[in-house]
Formats: sequence, C-alpha cells, structure tokens
Amino acid sequence: DIQMTQSPSSLSASVGDRVTITCRASQSISSYLNWYQQKPGKAPKLLIYAASSLHTGVPSRFSGSGTWTDFTLTISNLQPEDSATYYCQQSYNTPRTFGPGTKVDVK
Amino acid sequence: QLQLQESGPGLVKPSETLSLTCTVSGGSISSSSYYWAWIRQPPGKGLEWIGAMYYSGTTYYNPSLKRRAFISVDTSKNQFSLNLSSVTAADTAVYYCASWYNYGYGYFDNWGQGTLVTVSS
Repeated sequence: DIQMTQSPSSLSASVGDRVTITCRASQSISSYLNWYQQKPGKAPKLLIYAASSLHTGVPSRFSGSGTWTDFTLTISNLQPEDSATYYCQQSYNTPRTFGPGTKVDVK
Repeated sequence: QLQLQESGPGLVKPSETLSLTCTVSGGSISSSSYYWAWIRQPPGKGLEWIGAMYYSGTTYYNPSLKRRAFISVDTSKNQFSLNLSSVTAADTAVYYCASWYNYGYGYFDNWGQGTLVTVSS
C-alpha cells in the first residue's frame, strides 16, 4: 500500500493569512494526488485533483502543487469558513489511501 | 450532479454482517465514467477506503479488511450495496458511499452524507 503522511497535523492561523499543508507519499505517484476538505459532521468535499487542478466551484484561494512524492495545498487569504480538516489522497493505485489529515483552525 | 444517500441499520451486533445501501440519483449507476465506492471513518479518525465496484462487475477491495467486504450493484434500482461480515467494535464508523470519477487521474467527486454504524451487543 502507498502510505500518505501530512504535516502539520494541525495549525491555527488568522483571517487573511496564507497557509500551506504538506503531503508526502511513500513512493512516487506522479500527479495522482487529490485534496479534500471535511467540516465536522459532514462528508469530505473535493478541492483539488491531479495535484493542481481546481475542482468545479472551489474558490481560487485554494491551490495545489507538487509531483512524484511531495505535494502542497495552499490556502491564500484564509477565510473563517476554511476551518476544517484537510486530507490528501493518492489515486495512483488501489487501495486508495488517504493522509491522516490536517486540522486548520481560523482564529 | 450526482446525489448519493446511504441507508441501513445504525446498530449491528458483533460477529454479524453490516449491510448498507447507497441510492444514486441525478445519473445512472451504469455510467462508464464512475466506479462506486465505500469509504469509512471511525469516530475522530481518518478516512479508510473499503472498496469500489464498476457497474459491469469489476471490483476492488482493501486487503486490510481481509476479504470481509463485498460490494454489489443493482442497476435496476440505481443502487449499490456493502456487506461487511464478522464485524467487531473496530468496524464502528461513519460509512460513506461515493462516486469515483474514472477518467484522467481519478477522484471522489460526489459523497453521501454518511451513516454512523455502531457495532455493539
């Protein structure tokens, strides 16, 4: 199985800040990397697919980058509604695996 | 846009079989664009992919479940189902059904709201 790790596990930032979350795969996955946002009590929502493509309807302050084993999710101009847990997920092969999540708190 | 809705018992006894159904609306479960997947999330923990099925019958499972999972599709009802046998307390989780867009790089683009299943006697 491909293991996914994320850092940090949690962070706190202020409205308007720029935050970066890192995801690392245990082997090369090219650009087969997706990012999801999950709010408490809700299902995850797709933000970014193929490492850097913004899903339909997702605000442009979200962006993704990276390839091979190292990836980042950046939230520019952080908004209160961005408080959530963010997960990366590899789509390179099965079993599909997710990172452990990064909890973002907006002060 | 697809809508997915899970249904099934919220309480299952240890050693019994957990059975859930996902009803798909807004599109056909026979679409060539999608695999139909189950994902679970134990309380306070991360996401675990259980498996997925194509309408034609091709199926993939997470080996970590040790062959306890079985996914089936009913095209006449536009539904797909999960059976998880020999459950223990470790199977207590919110279970989500989701659509896996199968083209390009692939991603889960539509999710059900999730249903909590508790394993307890």
